[in-house]
Amino acid sequence: GQQVQQSPASLVLQEGENAELQCNFSTSLNSMQWFYQRPGGSLVSLFYNPSGTKHSGRLTSTTVIKERRSSLHISSSQTTDSGTYLCAPLTGNTGKLIFGLGTTLQVQP
Amino acid sequence: DTTVKQNPRYKLARVGKPVNLICSQTMNHDTMYWYQKKPNQAPKLLLFYYDKILNREADTFEKFQSSRPNNSFCSLYIGSAGLEYSAMYLCASSRDRYEQYFGPGTRLTVL
Repeated sequence: GQQVQQSPASLVLQEGENAELQCNFSTSLNSMQWFYQRPGGSLVSLFYNPSGTKHSGRLTSTTVIKERRSSLHISSSQTTDSGTYLCAPLTGNTGKLIFGLGTTLQVQP
Repeated sequence: DTTVKQNPRYKLARVGKPVNLICSQTMNHDTMYWYQKKPNQAPKLLLFYYDKILNREADTFEKFQSSRPNNSFCSLYIGSAGLEYSAMYLCASSRDRYEQYFGPGTRLTVL
């Protein structure tokens, strides 16, 4: 079965609303990495988070290893936040990332 | 600078012909990775170099080759392209197999 599941698959917000993106995984992990991708753009690393909570501007990442889940919170969303958000647990001692299918976010003005 | 570069950005290849994709980074990272991404699928690890040691995933072992002539460069080589190789190929690098930084990708189309 799929090792990494992201929810929701897609999300539409009005500008200013908050978003909570979820990532659940069945594999063991050493850390969690969250990425952002614009259509046609590169994967941009948002967070590298082994555990606990990290903040970066309007973004917050929380990883709970024991519960095999991670979340990405976006506060006061802006139209420029639109794109795809991918989570990827980093597994084993090889640094291998196992990706989810992503959450596609659309923020409307 | 966390830039990973990939060349070319777009590649058109004929079935049965070889393909060579190039990746470079100037961050002195010890590990370089190649992922394959197809539409509506998650990116999938093909292989990685840790320093000079190549590690290939079991299910793609025979399909892809790679070389790393120096710390900064890594190539992905397909000896005989098939239609199933059409995909986006993503290169990434990291230090000590921690946070990975990705390049823009090479879109390969095999006809």
